[in-house]
Amino acid sequence: AQTVTQSQPEMSVQEAETVTLSCTYDTSENNYYLFWYKQPPSRQMILVIRQEAYKQQNATENRFSVNFQKAAKSFSLKISDSQLGDTAMYFCAFMKPSNFGNEKLTFGTGTRLTIIP
Amino acid sequence: DGGITQSPKYLFRKEGQNVTLSCEQNLNHDAMYWYRQDPGQGLRLIYYSQIVNDFQKGDIAEGYSVSREKKESFPLTVTSAQKNPTAFYLCASSIRVLGEKLFFGSGTQLSVL
Repeated sequence: AQTVTQSQPEMSVQEAETVTLSCTYDTSENNYYLFWYKQPPSRQMILVIRQEAYKQQNATENRFSVNFQKAAKSFSLKISDSQLGDTAMYFCAFMKPSNFGNEKLTFGTGTRLTIIP
Repeated sequence: DGGITQSPKYLFRKEGQNVTLSCEQNLNHDAMYWYRQDPGQGLRLIYYSQIVNDFQKGDIAEGYSVSREKKESFPLTVTSAQKNPTAFYLCASSIRVLGEKLFFGSGTQLSVL
């Protein structure tokens, strides 16, 4: 079974600074997908970024980027120029493909990020 | 607008009562999922369905039941056998393409009276 570990329950950072959220996972699979989801106070889950394990290049989406270290099974999220709207719970998630299409997502326990004005 | 609709937003259950949470999507997605979220924990999978008339148990299926009679709908019943039902329930859907993201509804908060 896959496990996803987020070791930072809470973090805070000043507005406009850079922050990195850590995530490690355990799997014996070689082909899989990793995600970061954001859950703001509205509790709506929003996809932040996605990474395919077979791609060595780290994914980026505007101010969000990842540091994907496959051998170390590490998948950290970097938020640059942080904004007040980035205040949210952030969940790391793992998906391995199945013969039927999508496999289930396995989530970490989340990191509560607060951006301080 | 396409999306996933969960209702009700808040639901209260009495002891020994079954309650049903609604999830409807108009995204034409084949796969649908139910997750449970407790404070301080991540999302845990209850049930998922890859196609109409078929569904599989997730990690915490005991005390829950589902049906998938229509592509658009995937209701979740919390039965009286679920002794700790108070949680936030999230429904999601996706297309059946490898590694495709999940779209989430806005959730239902279930509490026990």
